[in-house]
Amino acid sequence: GAGVSQSPSNKVTEKGKDVELRCDPISGHTALYWYRQSLGQGLEFLIYFQGNSAPDKSGLPSDRFSAERTGGSVSTLTIQRTQQEDSAVYLCASSRRVVTSGANVLTFGAGSRLTVL
Amino acid sequence: AQSVSQHNHHVILSEAASLELGCNYSYGGTVNLFWYVQYPGQHLQLLLKYFSGDPLVKGIKGFEAEFIKSKFSFNLRKPSVQWSDTAEYFCAVNGGSQGNLIFGKGTKLSVKP
Repeated sequence: GAGVSQSPSNKVTEKGKDVELRCDPISGHTALYWYRQSLGQGLEFLIYFQGNSAPDKSGLPSDRFSAERTGGSVSTLTIQRTQQEDSAVYLCASSRRVVTSGANVLTFGAGSRLTVL
Repeated sequence: AQSVSQHNHHVILSEAASLELGCNYSYGGTVNLFWYVQYPGQHLQLLLKYFSGDPLVKGIKGFEAEFIKSKFSFNLRKPSVQWSDTAEYFCAVNGGSQGNLIFGKGTKLSVKP
């Protein structure tokens, strides 16, 4: 598609429930990233996928968080047993490819705003 | 580990004032540096980037940034701000072969008309 598409745009859930957030990257982009944006905290890296390589999960805050990317395209971020501190905007980004120099320009989606009551 | 510091949390300026937003990073090797901007209600978008070459880089909307390796800095500047520059600005870095970007906490810029 023309841009990075994320759904849902807003999600309100109760503490303890599981949520799934979806990201559809730009067509042809082989790298996909998830970030979390909380008020006053900037962007916190969560995970990124590079082609068919094993994902870099180093930013996931706990084992309640997981992500997968099917067919090298769409990705789903899953948060199990949500807590109030999980409330944030979850941003997805994609880039054309990850090269060894790291010179990647990320294109971001509009984000999924998660509110845990 | 890489990190990025943006020292100004909130900057308030009048139109036509000059702007400089500070960004310092910690990484000893080759770095790639970025400024992203998030206008109210909009996506994060790239403002400018530095990969190599001339350390003074120019971006969209009259913004520029200077990479000073000895100071580990990549400050953002604009000679004369406009009300439409009101937004949050994020500095980001990645170094070596690392694929993900590390972002600073952002600086909110409010420009008074």
